[in-house]
Amino acid sequence: DAGVIQSPRHEVTEMGQEVTLRCKPISGHDYLFWYRQTMMRGLELLIYFNNNVPIDDSGMPEDRFSAKMPNASFSTLKIQPSEPRDSAVYFCASRDTGLGETQYFGPGTRLLVL
Amino acid sequence: EDQVTQSPEALRLQEGESSSLNCSYTVSGLRGLFWYRQDPGKGPEFLFTLYSAGEEKEKERLKATLTKKESFLHITAPKPEDSATYLCAVQVLESDKIIFGKGTRLHILP
Repeated sequence: DAGVIQSPRHEVTEMGQEVTLRCKPISGHDYLFWYRQTMMRGLELLIYFNNNVPIDDSGMPEDRFSAKMPNASFSTLKIQPSEPRDSAVYFCASRDTGLGETQYFGPGTRLLVL
Repeated sequence: EDQVTQSPEALRLQEGESSSLNCSYTVSGLRGLFWYRQDPGKGPEFLFTLYSAGEEKEKERLKATLTKKESFLHITAPKPEDSATYLCAVQVLESDKIIFGKGTRLHILP
């Protein structure tokens, strides 16, 4: 199994630009989670989907952030417009309910907003 | 409020020097407790899931234990390749969310 795939691995952009992060979950997994990791706040859950439907987006910092999951094998996290304080590592994780509660993480996207 | 606190924040050990990492949690009801390992520049890698007090799980030099208020990750005779950040996370009953601690940065000196 290829595991969770994220792209790009690194992104450098200027303040005000749109940023789109992509995630391909493990095949067959029915849950997908988006996290943000910073030194100050650690790993924070932003939003999660079950069977492609957003269930809880209470962790999304503000309206500049949006996430979609058009099908079972693809999700995007978009920031528009981006700000320097959005600089962080963004992780995607997926889970198969039938196999338990364990989430499996992708390699992350390191975002730097100048 | 549900909380997860890990201690110490950082730990330096000599190779072969055994120790334990602590994860204290306050939740309304525990559905599961997870330990992950994270290497620099990589995503968290799953190690263990514990579901009830008294449960223990082992993998190579690592053993995780669980009580009603905390979990320990015991590292026996560590090697330099065990150097990483170890993350603890809890899942609350009736929830799909996982709450992570800030982690313990472990450095094993050769």
